[in-house]
Amino acid sequence: DADVTQTPRNRITKTGKRIMLECSQTKGHDRMYWYRQDPGLGLRLIYYSFDVKDINKGEISDGYSVSRQAQAKFSLSLESAIPNQTALYFCATSDPGGNNQPQHFGDGTRLSIL
Amino acid sequence: QKEVEQDPGPLSVPEGAIVSLNCTYSNSAFQYFMWYRQYSRKGPELLMYTYSSGNKEDGRFTAQVDKSSKYISLFIRDSQPSDSATYLCAMSTGNQFYFGTGTSLTVIP
Repeated sequence: DADVTQTPRNRITKTGKRIMLECSQTKGHDRMYWYRQDPGLGLRLIYYSFDVKDINKGEISDGYSVSRQAQAKFSLSLESAIPNQTALYFCATSDPGGNNQPQHFGDGTRLSIL
Repeated sequence: QKEVEQDPGPLSVPEGAIVSLNCTYSNSAFQYFMWYRQYSRKGPELLMYTYSSGNKEDGRFTAQVDKSSKYISLFIRDSQPSDSATYLCAMSTGNQFYFGTGTSLTVIP
């Protein structure tokens, strides 16, 4: 089983709809992140959380919100989806232990907004 | 200026070739350096992780960091068709991670 699981893997929806992407992890990491990936732009940070009570905006948080339901669960919501939010979305986790352990990624959600 | 610059390629090499992938950066606060491999329709997979200048080797892969020049490299020896993927460099200050845009590599049998 994957250490970082994202659901759904694919989603097609219409402009104006509310969407929730979910992420769960079994790595026991405190830190969780949401990124979007667009061709030519690379990975851009949307939101991150260093523990259950901590939520921080990233580079491109407008139009998105998040919820950290538990150490293992971090969800991303698009309150009113628009076409330019069509992208590949990744959840990642990391452990701030010795030497700042690197991030580990899920396999992504491919989101298309018509 | 972006925090991390990476040539997007695409890069195409014959099987068995030595591949060199590179990134430059501008932030002296970066302390941790990573290389990820991403196959189509999959998430980035950690390949190499280092926090010091110099070389780190793992099988056919060698990561090189030159903090004085703000330059990192990934070398792939004896490249295989299964190495065909997009390679992302990443760097961290300790709390924030910054990614290159990725280099697309194709290894031709």
